[in-house]
Amino acid sequence: GNSVTQMEGPVTLSEEAFLTINCTYTATGYPSLFWYVQYPGEGLQLLLKATKADDKGSNKGFEATYRKETTSFHLEKGSVQVSDSAVYFCALSEDSWGKFQFGAGTQVVVTP
Amino acid sequence: KAGVTQTPRYLIKTRGQQVTLSCSPISGHRSVSWYQQTPGQGLQFLFEYFSETQRNKGNFPGRFSGRQFSNSRSEMNVSTLELGDSALYLCASSSGTDTQYFGPGTRLTVL
Repeated sequence: GNSVTQMEGPVTLSEEAFLTINCTYTATGYPSLFWYVQYPGEGLQLLLKATKADDKGSNKGFEATYRKETTSFHLEKGSVQVSDSAVYFCALSEDSWGKFQFGAGTQVVVTP
Repeated sequence: KAGVTQTPRYLIKTRGQQVTLSCSPISGHRSVSWYQQTPGQGLQFLFEYFSETQRNKGNFPGRFSGRQFSNSRSEMNVSTLELGDSALYLCASSSGTDTQYFGPGTRLTVL
């Protein structure tokens, strides 16, 4: 079956540091890939997505590239802010409607 | 457009009781999915409804059930609550563009 593996947290960084969160997946077909972010006490917000190989998703300074050869979708941001402190989830979907497969989530803590 | 709304936001129940949670999707979205989020198990898919029909189901016992109304609003029900049912229950809606939009969740505590 499908699965998503992402690096364990917490990841603690200083403001303006570079952030990378690794995500790899296994899937039988050609999934769409997503990063969602969850702030304390809230639901998940879509951060970015990519629907096919070599696509790059980007939003709010975050980027991730769909790498089919390495089955990866690593999240990066060049200069983090305290407001980026949250839990980040990598996810995949193999159909247009149905269920997502989520990774375990990576907590990111950014200190001033 | 208004986002996905879930009610209530917080619930406290005791073991053995049942509970009903409600989700209103984004206007025009016909697919509604439900997830359970716990610290130990992470995000787990419960079920997905489209046009009042359950299309996908996760690996949860029959105590967990749901339905969808003609206006796409959805409810999920958990009967005979157990302590382990304490979780954040998230609803997500989709228009079929492969992206799901999540509500803020309902925090259920079972005592």
